[in-house]
Amino acid sequence: TQLLEQSPQFLSIQEGENLTVYCNSSSVFSSLQWYRQEPGEGPVLLVTVVTGGEVKKLKRLTFQFGDARKDSSLHITAAQPGDTGLYLCAGRGGGSNYKLTFGKGTLLTVNP
Amino acid sequence: DVKVTQSSRYLVKRTGEKVFLECVQDMDHENMFWYRQDPGLGLRLIYFSYDVKMKEKGDIPEGYSVSREKKERFSLILESASTNQTSMYLCASSLWGEMDEQYFGPGTRLTVT
Repeated sequence: TQLLEQSPQFLSIQEGENLTVYCNSSSVFSSLQWYRQEPGEGPVLLVTVVTGGEVKKLKRLTFQFGDARKDSSLHITAAQPGDTGLYLCAGRGGGSNYKLTFGKGTLLTVNP
Repeated sequence: DVKVTQSSRYLVKRTGEKVFLECVQDMDHENMFWYRQDPGLGLRLIYFSYDVKMKEKGDIPEGYSVSREKKERFSLILESASTNQTSMYLCASSLWGEMDEQYFGPGTRLTVT
């Protein structure tokens, strides 16, 4: 069974601060996705990374896939209250193109 | 605009009742999924379907069954609801590719009393 460990579980910061969320596993994933979920809604995809060492930027969000494709990080620069939400990493692996293994999530609160 | 809809946002049922949760997608996706989401446990896959009438068990199928009679519709059935099935249920759909995202519905918060 593949597992994804996310840390921290909770994060409460002030507007303008930077933060990093980590997603780690002992298993290799063929690709990794990050989703954000707002209260009362389903998760929405932010990014997909597929190549070891890949870095993708989405405005103030930077996503990195580890060289060995076992871990990933999400860095937010100058966080805003609109970034508040549950951030979930999800990996595909083991020859399955359809099944995602989700981490437990990081609940981020950005205070104005 | 792609859409996954779930039949109810909130549902309250009694222990022992048969419960149907319905999910419809308008994107012609082959794959559909049912997850439950609980605090501290994250999203856990209950069942998924990769074609009409085809299904496979996920990580926690016990106490649940599913039905997919049409490509756009995937139903989750709790044959005899129990209090430990109180949870948020999320439906999702996707295509087959490595890059393909799962599109989620808004969720159904089920309370079993």
